[in-house]
Amino acid sequence: SAVISQKPSRDICQRGTSLTIQCQVDSQVTMMFWYRQQPGQSLTLIATANQGSEATYESGFVIDKFPISRPNLTFSTLTVSNMSPEDSSIYLCSVRTGGLSSEQFFGPGTRLTVL
Amino acid sequence: GNSVTQMEGPVTLSEEAFLTINCTYTATGYPSLFWYVQYPGEGLQLLLKATKADDKGSNKGFEATYRKETTSFHLEKGSVQVSDSAVYFCALNNNAGNMLTFGGGTRLMVKP
Repeated sequence: SAVISQKPSRDICQRGTSLTIQCQVDSQVTMMFWYRQQPGQSLTLIATANQGSEATYESGFVIDKFPISRPNLTFSTLTVSNMSPEDSSIYLCSVRTGGLSSEQFFGPGTRLTVL
Repeated sequence: GNSVTQMEGPVTLSEEAFLTINCTYTATGYPSLFWYVQYPGEGLQLLLKATKADDKGSNKGFEATYRKETTSFHLEKGSVQVSDSAVYFCALNNNAGNMLTFGGGTRLMVKP
């Protein structure tokens, strides 16, 4: 299993500012992902965080808006840039500890409100 | 492409009632299927999974059977408790890529 922590757990931000969310895992993992969960909605994959290279973004998400870092096998950050109220969501970090069929674990999420 | 459809909520039940949350999917190949649960204020937790046709996943009294012929993975529990109140997500992984595809989620509310 994997224990995932995220910081901050929640934040209220002004439009036009940026917020960086940290994800820390208690063990080395092969894959790390960032998801968005808009109010009352399901989860949408933003990107796969790749160690030592640029993240792989899903359709509708771009690096300028959601820059991601992954400096090692246990840590990643997601930045939400130039925020607007539409960015108000829960952002979740997720990891896989093994191959493609291994279990996927989720962090507690960061609840972001943009005013 | 892949997609997951689950019944809309909220589902409101009395304690000890029988629960069914329907989930159907569309996928290429032979996906693995999952149910995740999200308790209030928490992240997602894996509840159960099935990796091939006719497999039954079970955990904490919940069950779901992988039905390839009907492309379904319905979640059932014989007797729900107030503590089961949460949002339940059906998901699939087609094993050919990295991503889990989630259904829209179903909120379950169990009243004493």
